[in-house]
Order: sequence, then C-alpha cells, then structure tokens
Amino acid sequence: AQSVTQLGSHVSVSEGALVLLRCNYSSSVPPYLFWYVQYPNQGLQLLLKYTSAATLVKGINGFEAEFKKSETSFHLTKPSAHMSDAAEYFCAVLYTGGFKTIFGAGTRLFVKA
Amino acid sequence: DAGVTQSPTHLIKTRGQHVTLRCSPISGHKSVSWYQQVLGQGPQFIFQYYEKEERGRGNFPDRFSARQFPNYSSELNVNALLLGDSALYLCASSLEGGHITGELFFGEGSRLTVL
Repeated sequence: AQSVTQLGSHVSVSEGALVLLRCNYSSSVPPYLFWYVQYPNQGLQLLLKYTSAATLVKGINGFEAEFKKSETSFHLTKPSAHMSDAAEYFCAVLYTGGFKTIFGAGTRLFVKA
Repeated sequence: DAGVTQSPTHLIKTRGQHVTLRCSPISGHKSVSWYQQVLGQGPQFIFQYYEKEERGRGNFPDRFSARQFPNYSSELNVNALLLGDSALYLCASSLEGGHITGELFFGEGSRLTVL
C-alpha cells in the first residue's frame, strides 16, 4: 500500500540549531514528493516539491530536502532554526498517474529560545 | 489574486444532522480536492473533482458526497453526522488534476464540531 511515514510526531530544537524532519515513502517508482507547512488554525502551504529534476530541492524560508531513492527518503532540513519555524510539517507523496496526494501524520516542530 | 476560499470557517452541528461545506478554487484552477484532518493527524483524502467529474474517492462512507459546479467551485456534503466527523475539512485546488504539477493550494479550512 502506498504510504508516507514521518519519524517523530514532535521535534524540539533550539533557535539557531539544525532542523531535521524525517520522511520515508513506500514505492518502487519515484513519485512526486512534497513538504507542506501548517501554522495554527490555517491551511497547508507548500514548502517545496521534488519532481525528478534535481535530488536536492530548495524551498521557501531556507528549507531544503534531499531525495534519496536508495533509502526511499525525503528528509527536510534547515541549517538554522528560527522561532517563526514553529509549526506542523507534513510530508506528502503523489504517485505518477495518480490523483490523490497522500500525507504523512505530521511532525510538530518546537523552537526554543 | 484571491486564494482558495472556504465557508463557513467554523460550525457546530449535532449528531444526525447534515452539513454542507463550500469551496471556491483559485481563479483558473479546474480541480478541487477535499481532505479531512482530524486533530493531531495528517489530512486524509476524501474526493477529487476535475472539470466537474469525480476523479477519485477516498475511503469514506457514502454519507460523504461532493460535487463541482460549472464555475469550478465545489460543495462537500455530509449526512447523518457522527461525533467522529468532527474535524478540519480542507479544500485544495490545482491547475490540472494535480498529476502534472502536483502542487495543491489549500484554503484555511472549515472546522466542524459535532456534538
């Protein structure tokens, strides 16, 4: 079954520290991969997407993610966390020819001053 | 340009009632998808409509139905509400069916509470 797994429902980092949010997908065929962010009481906003053009994808707000086919992973990173990064982050996958985007359970990022 | 708009933003219903949620996509977008997000979980796919035709349906009971109008706006209907239907209902639009660019543009959601 097609699925997305996000390791860690909560991640806490200090301001200025590295942010690493993990995502693994289940598929033998590289799909479209996405990271979305959700701030409290808001809808989801696209951070970045992988569509096979490049394995390292840069997104908004200094975030980037690397597609690793051998590991079926698409982890999200940011070199230096900011207080404004505190939000819920969702990894998502859309399989080629498919119509529904499948979301992971989400990882809530806390940033400590 | 206006983003995806949803109405109402909040509503409270009692068990057994019916609810209609509305969504207007971004101008030029022909596809609308509906997702249910229960507190503490990721969005779960309910429906996708493209050019007024249903392209896909998630694992939801027949109490859930939807339609898309000629202006590409959409309604999600839920009959015989259960307590477990309490959630944030998200509407997302995309240019095509999403299978070309893949990107979804989300509204802020309709928060439904069933008492």
